[in-house]
Amino acid sequence: DQQVKQNSPSLSVQEGRISILNCDYTNSMFDYFLWYKKYPAEGPTFLISISSIKDKNEDGRFTVFLNKSAKHLSLHIVPSQPGDSAVYFCAASGRGTPLVFGKGTRLSVIA
Amino acid sequence: DTAVSQTPKYLVTQMGNDKSIKCEQNLGHDTMYWYKQDSKKFLKIMFSYNNKELIINETVPNRFSPKSPDKAHLNLHINSLELGDSAVYFCASRETGRGNTIYFGEGSWLTVV
Repeated sequence: DQQVKQNSPSLSVQEGRISILNCDYTNSMFDYFLWYKKYPAEGPTFLISISSIKDKNEDGRFTVFLNKSAKHLSLHIVPSQPGDSAVYFCAASGRGTPLVFGKGTRLSVIA
Repeated sequence: DTAVSQTPKYLVTQMGNDKSIKCEQNLGHDTMYWYKQDSKKFLKIMFSYNNKELIINETVPNRFSPKSPDKAHLNLHINSLELGDSAVYFCASRETGRGNTIYFGEGSWLTVV
């Protein structure tokens, strides 16, 4: 039972364009959402987060949008750079629940 | 100045062996975790320790035994290794509190042959 779903296993984007990574969740108790970035042979590193009291959080080129009614969040990267090529994991947690991860989306930014 | 470090990074071992993976964090966090990333790429929590006490133990075989000698260390011991134990194991840590981020180690690639 996947509580956090990333339905696109991979995504290719031209350098300079926008990358949009999507994530859906099923557990309405989740109230904190994070995106992690992972390079090969390294551990996931924290990228950006959003709490359920907000619908948008921005940090430089990265913006996370949360649509609570649709139980959907997305990560926008603009402009995309070759160094952004990695696997992106969506994660969610709630009171008393551990962090639950999606399967990840592999982003390839093509120069 | 590695925040969460785990050793070994790569481990190849035979079925039936017992092995340990060590984890240390120098962030002063009070909670540590072990996550497993299997062949399907799911990152799933295995254990969570808060101030050396076990607080989460997901459905993991008894062959897996975490040990936390102090707040900064959480080691994972695996008995009687099986082929299905082959995976990447990630240690992580976090300071308890809403909104606090989990920091991961680089992972330990375990291959059971």
